[in-house]
Amino acid sequence: DIQMTQSPSTLSASVGDRVTITCRASQSISSWLAWYQQKPGKAPKLLIYHASSLESGVPSRFSGSGSGTEFTLTISSLQPDDFATYYCQQYDGYWTFGQGTKVGIK
Amino acid sequence: QVQLVQSGAEVKKPGASGKVSCKASGYTFSGHYIHWVRQAPGQGLEWMGWINVNNGGTNYEQKFQGRVTMTRDTSISTAYMELSRLRSDDTAVYYCARSRGTSTSCYDYWGQGTLVTVSS
Repeated sequence: DIQMTQSPSTLSASVGDRVTITCRASQSISSWLAWYQQKPGKAPKLLIYHASSLESGVPSRFSGSGSGTEFTLTISSLQPDDFATYYCQQYDGYWTFGQGTKVGIK
Repeated sequence: QVQLVQSGAEVKKPGASGKVSCKASGYTFSGHYIHWVRQAPGQGLEWMGWINVNNGGTNYEQKFQGRVTMTRDTSISTAYMELSRLRSDDTAVYYCARSRGTSTSCYDYWGQGTLVTVSS
């Protein structure tokens, strides 16, 4: 099975900060990686697919990069609505998620 | 607009079975796979399997083989996930999610989730 490791597990940031979350795969997954945002009591929401493609309707402050085994999600200027938990997901071999990164208010 | 609407919360006793439904609207039901993902309280997301809505074919995570059954009824655009021999550690929110493209894809729409509580 392909394991996904996110870092950090939690981070504290302020509105306007640039935030970066990293996701590492235990083996190469090409660009078969997605990023989701989840708020408490809600279903996850797709932000990025194919490592760097922005899902329709998602603000352009979100961006994704990487290929192979190392990937990043960047929020260029954190907004109040962005405080949430973020998950990466590989879909190259079956489907596995990272453990999540909780973005909280500093 | 695309919607996936799931059935309501359930409480089950250990050893029982639980069945969650996922009704799709706003798109051609047979054109996308449906995946099932669960999330235990305070935990991360866990993939359970998918169903090819077009032909009923399934693919289950090995961990759930023998306990999970995914089906669909195309006449009412509804997918189902049944988990048998429930244990306390099956307590979780169960989500259905639509495959964005082919079977090997991420998910662009999710149901609202169904809490299944397993307790004696």
